[in-house]
Amino acid sequence: QVQLVQSGAEVKKPGSSVKVSCKTSGGTFTRYAFAWVRQAPGQGLEWMGGIIPIFGTRNYAQKFQDRVTITADESTNTAYMELSRLRSEDTAVYFCARVRDYSSSSPYFDSWGQGTLVTVSS
Amino acid sequence: EIVMTQSPATLSVSPGERATLSCRASQSVSRNLAWYQQKPGQAPRLLIYGASTRATGIPARFSGSGSGTEFTLSISSLQSEDFAVYYCQHQGTFGPGTKVDIK
Repeated sequence: QVQLVQSGAEVKKPGSSVKVSCKTSGGTFTRYAFAWVRQAPGQGLEWMGGIIPIFGTRNYAQKFQDRVTITADESTNTAYMELSRLRSEDTAVYFCARVRDYSSSSPYFDSWGQGTLVTVSS
Repeated sequence: EIVMTQSPATLSVSPGERATLSCRASQSVSRNLAWYQQKPGQAPRLLIYGASTRATGIPARFSGSGSGTEFTLSISSLQSEDFAVYYCQHQGTFGPGTKVDIK
């Protein structure tokens, strides 16, 4: 049974950066891809990007291309998402998710972390 | 870029009744569509992938159908735990969600 456990809530100032971690257990880390999805208060789900740890390849949503960095550490089975130049609109819950069938036309997210609330406020 | 839309935005259903949720893609996505359920304060949960395959542990009252641009998620007999928001997803795009609430 795979588990994704994320780091705790963060409060950040506008213009700063945040780095959220997602530690996985119960599965083979390098067999899968991992994605980050965020959800602003009262809003829907928004895919930010993903990484395939075994290849080190990443892709990002165009909206976040210049501000997000997704990395993975195979030694600790942990994925990371760093978002820079934070603004108030970045206040959201950030989820990591395991991606199945990432090499196909039909990737989907079969396991999710519990979410990390990032609050951006002066 | 493919845009996903969902209807209705809110669906009011009585327990035990059937619920039918729709998802539409702006261009054909074949059968490359997944459905998720999200309850307040929780992470989304995968229900359906490949348009019609139930994920592990998902009750048989949930079923998915469709292909191309039109998809449906059906819940045959709503249980109290099914009142939630449902999202469809194709690759990196989610629909806006349908909230299923108690009538």
